[in-house]
Amino acid sequence: QQQVKQSPQSLIVQKGGISIINCAYENTAFDYFPWYQQFPGKGPALLIAIRPDVSEKKEGRFTISFNKSAKQFSLHIMDSQPGDSATYFCAASINTGNQFYFGTGTSLTVIP
Amino acid sequence: NAGVTQTPKFRVLKTGQSMTLLCAQDMNHEYMYWYRQDPGMGLRLIHYSVGEGTTAKGEVPDGYNVSRLKKQNFLLGLESAAPSQTSVYFCASRKHRGGDYGYTFGSGTRLTVV
Repeated sequence: QQQVKQSPQSLIVQKGGISIINCAYENTAFDYFPWYQQFPGKGPALLIAIRPDVSEKKEGRFTISFNKSAKQFSLHIMDSQPGDSATYFCAASINTGNQFYFGTGTSLTVIP
Repeated sequence: NAGVTQTPKFRVLKTGQSMTLLCAQDMNHEYMYWYRQDPGMGLRLIHYSVGEGTTAKGEVPDGYNVSRLKKQNFLLGLESAAPSQTSVYFCASRKHRGGDYGYTFGSGTRLTVV
């Protein structure tokens, strides 16, 4: 059973546009929600993360929006650039747990 | 600082052959993980370790074994490779349990079983 559901599977955005990737979860014990970015041939790398005590976190062009009541969180990439083309994974973890649970990934292509 | 190093980077096995994937980290992390990545399925946890000498099963452990004899190394073994084990394998490490300590991933091992 997929603990974290991610959509869409793939996304094509024009340069300068906004990329939005959504994730949903069921386990209310999750208390940490990171996003990972993966370029072809590389391992995933931590991009940005949020805790459920805040509704939004922004780092440069990347923003996480968090809706605790809906059990959803999303990644927004503003002013998307071709260099942002990568696969993005959302994840969730429990502070007292041993592992992260990952979404199935979104392949983002930003076209010039 | 090398981070997490995986060897080999590529490997082709025949069905029934065995092999060991090596993961080494130089960050003194306690926790280490083996994931496999398949198209449309994301990252699935195979086995993990919360410290030297300890291992535990993840979501998809069948057909794999692991060992953590030294804190810095985590080995993933395939005793009798099957085509279903064709995948990209990622090792990750983490300093402590707790959300603020994210994973550091290696660059992956692409394994093909024919």
